[in-house]
Amino acid sequence: DGGITQSPKYLFRKEGQNVTLSCEQNLNHDAMYWYRQDPGQGLRLIYYSQIVNDFQKGDIAEGYSVSREKKESFPLTVTSAQKNPTAFYLCASSMINQPQHFGDGTRLSIL
Amino acid sequence: QKEVEQNSGPLSVPEGAIASLNCTYSDRGSQSFFWYRQYSGKSPELIMSIYSNGDKEDGRFTAQLNKASQYVSLLIRDSQPSDSATYLCAVNGDLTGGGNKLTFGTGTQLKVEL
Repeated sequence: DGGITQSPKYLFRKEGQNVTLSCEQNLNHDAMYWYRQDPGQGLRLIYYSQIVNDFQKGDIAEGYSVSREKKESFPLTVTSAQKNPTAFYLCASSMINQPQHFGDGTRLSIL
Repeated sequence: QKEVEQNSGPLSVPEGAIASLNCTYSDRGSQSFFWYRQYSGKSPELIMSIYSNGDKEDGRFTAQLNKASQYVSLLIRDSQPSDSATYLCAVNGDLTGGGNKLTFGTGTQLKVEL
């Protein structure tokens, strides 16, 4: 089945720890995106990538890092510099100028 | 700063009625408009996209776009309890260089009552 797979579904971070969220797609989409959603809030763009080995900052990139070494994969690292990381993280992908489709999300909490 | 505004609701409608959800946007250059449905605890699901002025119908859903007034709406006919969810409006204004940089509204919570 084609789709977008995010893992893990739930993740817990200790103080001072970096954690990495996985996002894989087998839709052959060129563009991939990471969003953050806080309770009662809309989605805010963290990073996006339109092509392998290239990515751009979104509106709230501070404290996050990404890589795009393969077309299928766009992992997000939440660094210790992100002081308020508790949120629902959503990965999306699309062909250029086409609607975005989302994975099931990862819920990150602080221990 | 591009903005997308939605009434947070909740919007309550009786089963079988028409639900009307509205969204306004600030960027007059916006080109593409999307409605996503998000059930509690789940990820958003695309239900409608619209690119030109007028109406677009898909089953019980109709999207309406008025670029002059900068608003987009979603009508749900014959509302069902399963339509109870948060509806997110998303607007893409930046097509230069390709890709979709979407700006999302905060969503309208719809409750369909028996």
